[in-house]
Amino acid sequence: EADIYQTPRYLVIGTGKKITLECSQTMGHDKMYWYQQDPGMELHLIHYSYGVNSTEKGDLSSESTVSRIRTEHFPLTLESARPSHTSQYLCASSELGASGTDTQYFGPGTRLTVL
Amino acid sequence: SQQGEEDPQALSIQEGENATMNCSYKTSINNLQWYRQNSGRGLVHLILIRSNEREKHSGRLRVTLDTSKKSSSLLITASRAADTASYFCATDGGAQKLVFGQGTRLTINP
Repeated sequence: EADIYQTPRYLVIGTGKKITLECSQTMGHDKMYWYQQDPGMELHLIHYSYGVNSTEKGDLSSESTVSRIRTEHFPLTLESARPSHTSQYLCASSELGASGTDTQYFGPGTRLTVL
Repeated sequence: SQQGEEDPQALSIQEGENATMNCSYKTSINNLQWYRQNSGRGLVHLILIRSNEREKHSGRLRVTLDTSKKSSSLLITASRAADTASYFCATDGGAQKLVFGQGTRLTINP
């Protein structure tokens, strides 16, 4: 089982609230990712990071922001949540390889509902 | 645009039967990976096959890759109830990112 953790697992909040989804990994991986996934649908990459102080936007436009101050920690923040943000958010990490794409290890996910 | 597309979208079989899922992709790849996702959970890596490989085995899993047809298949032999999950293929989308398909929802009936 991967050593990557997400909190909270479930979150129900009202519109306009600021929220932070936490993601931590203890594997020392340089690369970390955030995906958004609606039920029964594909994963969409919304943010990724190659290491400390590195953050990039993914393929799907998102109103969320991320930070990478420590290797093990990659939190995602929504300044003002809206019902359209209702989804499952998955965090993943992988080692920085010399070339190609490495295996990604996923956390259990945070299911967010915005009322 | 979506890189990987799984087929079928849903598959229901009896325990003990074999399950085959297919994945097609559009652009050249370095490797292709298969992941499993149990309901409401994160994804778990199953197997990686590189572009210069044609077939790979891991326990009850067999993966094939045909780069000329830009397709891959995942075979699960002697299925068990615990194999019930969604299965995703993922290809490298450049910049060391993965691009996931929509997945195949597999149901194993006892």
